[in-house]
Amino acid sequence: EPEVTQTPSHQVTQMGQEVILRCVPISNHLYFYWYRQILGQKVEFLVSFYNNEISEKSEIFDDQFSVERPDGSNFTLKIRSTKLEDSAMYFCASSWRGGGFEQFFGPGTRLTVL
Amino acid sequence: ILNVEQSPQSLHVQEGDSTNFTCSFPSSNFYALHWYRWETAKSPEALFVMTLNGDEKKKGRISATLNTKEGYSYLYIKGSQPEDSATYLCAFSVNRDDKIIFGKGTRLHILP
Repeated sequence: EPEVTQTPSHQVTQMGQEVILRCVPISNHLYFYWYRQILGQKVEFLVSFYNNEISEKSEIFDDQFSVERPDGSNFTLKIRSTKLEDSAMYFCASSWRGGGFEQFFGPGTRLTVL
Repeated sequence: ILNVEQSPQSLHVQEGDSTNFTCSFPSSNFYALHWYRWETAKSPEALFVMTLNGDEKKKGRISATLNTKEGYSYLYIKGSQPEDSATYLCAFSVNRDDKIIFGKGTRLHILP
């Protein structure tokens, strides 16, 4: 069964460093998303991406964040200068239709900022 | 503020017993209600997506109902098994927005 994959499973970085989290969405999906969950809190939407551009973003997704689909298979989230409060589990998701339709999630990357 | 509430936060159920838990959400501008099952170190797994008031969906021993007018959904598990131990996340979307808004989840522990 096709699935969303994410690498790495755990990333440790120093405050102020740049990180890139990688995702391979399900191959025939057209819509891509990033969510995060800070420990003990709810899963929060960050951004959605369709047709090579951001279609929706939350107020969390500020100038420190960017997304890219560099080739036909990968979808990345970059955090330019990490802060302690960026420590969270980051989930990638994909769907073949937008508008709140069923989204398929990857296993997440746990980001720890020291 | 769009908010999803789930109760209880945590639940211990004897193997073989049936159980249910609740998700409540704002009923205005509702588009879809999602249930996910999330086991530690795995991907959240989509169980159901429901859009119509009165909708009822079933997948094996798990079923869900939806009331969009009053803003709640129930998830039922019949004859709990150890493999049902997981966090069950409820989420909803509004106005055909891309984002889905999650609750904190109900952590289910099945006792042997």
